[in-house]
Amino acid sequence: RKEVEQDPGPFNVPEGATVAFNCTYSNSASQSFFWYRQDCRKEPKLLMSVYSSGNEDGRFTAQLNRASQYISLLIRDSKLSDSATYLCVVNEARFGNEKLTFGTGTRLTIIP
Amino acid sequence: NAGVTQTPKFQVLKTGQSMTLQCAQDMNHEYMSWYRQDPGMGLRLIHYSVGAGITDQGEVPNGYNVSRSTTEDFPLRLLSAAPSQTSVYFCASSPGLRSSYNEQFFGPGTRLTVL
Repeated sequence: RKEVEQDPGPFNVPEGATVAFNCTYSNSASQSFFWYRQDCRKEPKLLMSVYSSGNEDGRFTAQLNRASQYISLLIRDSKLSDSATYLCVVNEARFGNEKLTFGTGTRLTIIP
Repeated sequence: NAGVTQTPKFQVLKTGQSMTLQCAQDMNHEYMSWYRQDPGMGLRLIHYSVGAGITDQGEVPNGYNVSRSTTEDFPLRLLSAAPSQTSVYFCASSPGLRSSYNEQFFGPGTRLTVL
């Protein structure tokens, strides 16, 4: 079983719609969680961290469910500029980044 | 600040050749790392460094060497290129290790093809 699993998509979603992605992780001792965004042929960039209580940043909402070992990302009122690949990232270490595990990404295309 | 820079952007090598991928950051970050990204696979850690003079192996270190003589620079050396090393290579840096929040800043990547 992969340590971090994501639905690869592609998700083709009309502009203005709401879309949600899930990501599951296998290590129950994982410490911190992130969503990164990667545009085509570009480097990944941090979209948001995921906190236990859930957190929101504008149109984006991230949730963590430790009991079921998944994190989610919700995008409301989707824009054309949201088209990208979204990477789920899990950190098994309390400090440092050498225990980061990246998912393979979920590809999202927003259709006009 | 330029952030994290990588050179070259593209490179084609023949099997058995060696080369160095350059990475530099101007944010005074302690932590630097090298990843490779292959289709259908997540980014995988090759080597990392927690500070000048300190390096360690990641998940897929074979065939690669690193050194960290300064805080700013973290070059990745391919010793004898193989077709299996065809990939996109990303260098990343992050501020330090004393917090569980550690955003990684990635360079633009080097696309390497080994024939």
